Amino acid sequence: DAGITQSPRHKVTETGTPVTLRCHQTENHRYMYWYRQDPGHGLRLIHYSYGVKDTDKGEVSDGYSVSRSKTEDFLLTLESATSSQTSVYFCAIKPGQGSNQPQHFGDGTRLSIL
Amino acid sequence: GNSVTQMEGPVTLSEEAFLTINCTYTATGYPSLFWYVQYPGEGLQLLLKATKADDKGSNKGFEATYRKETTSFHLEKGSVQVSDSAVYFCALTIQGAQKLVFGQGTRLTINP
Repeated sequence: DAGITQSPRHKVTETGTPVTLRCHQTENHRYMYWYRQDPGHGLRLIHYSYGVKDTDKGEVSDGYSVSRSKTEDFLLTLESATSSQTSVYFCAIKPGQGSNQPQHFGDGTRLSIL
Repeated sequence: GNSVTQMEGPVTLSEEAFLTINCTYTATGYPSLFWYVQYPGEGLQLLLKATKADDKGSNKGFEATYRKETTSFHLEKGSVQVSDSAVYFCALTIQGAQKLVFGQGTRLTINP
């Protein structure tokens, strides 16, 4: 168990509402990631963080923002949710800078936008 | 750019059959290669990895060899079990980069 907790695990909300997903880690790892998983696309990176208050965009960042005010928490926000953001969202963590170090994943949040 | 291509699924096999899931990659730098497995309702778990050419990663009876000459990292298992039913993802990361690039995933079903 990689010590990653995602909350909520399931959420249903309406188009146009704001949504925040939380990723909490107990490992004190430097790198944290948010992915979305959709059929036929594998996992696609939304945003990632390389330290407190240090974040960068991934390949599908439009419509999403993130914040990391402390090492253990990485928040993903959909300011105004759209139906195209219905997906399963995964958080991942990585201890250090080495590219040969694997990422470790949480159990996911299933988000439905009606 | 960097990309990973996996064989399309779904793949259905009988128990004790031999498994191969093909994975090829393109990379602008020198990649590390990974296989992840996702069981129903769960997140991804690292299955194995290889970080340089000719390295063989292995775990739980699964193996994959990093073939630089063919830019491949095929996943194999000699005798599959029903419990191996899952979605398998091939992924790479480039030296100096912090991001994983995933293939689209291959769903494997093993029938008793």
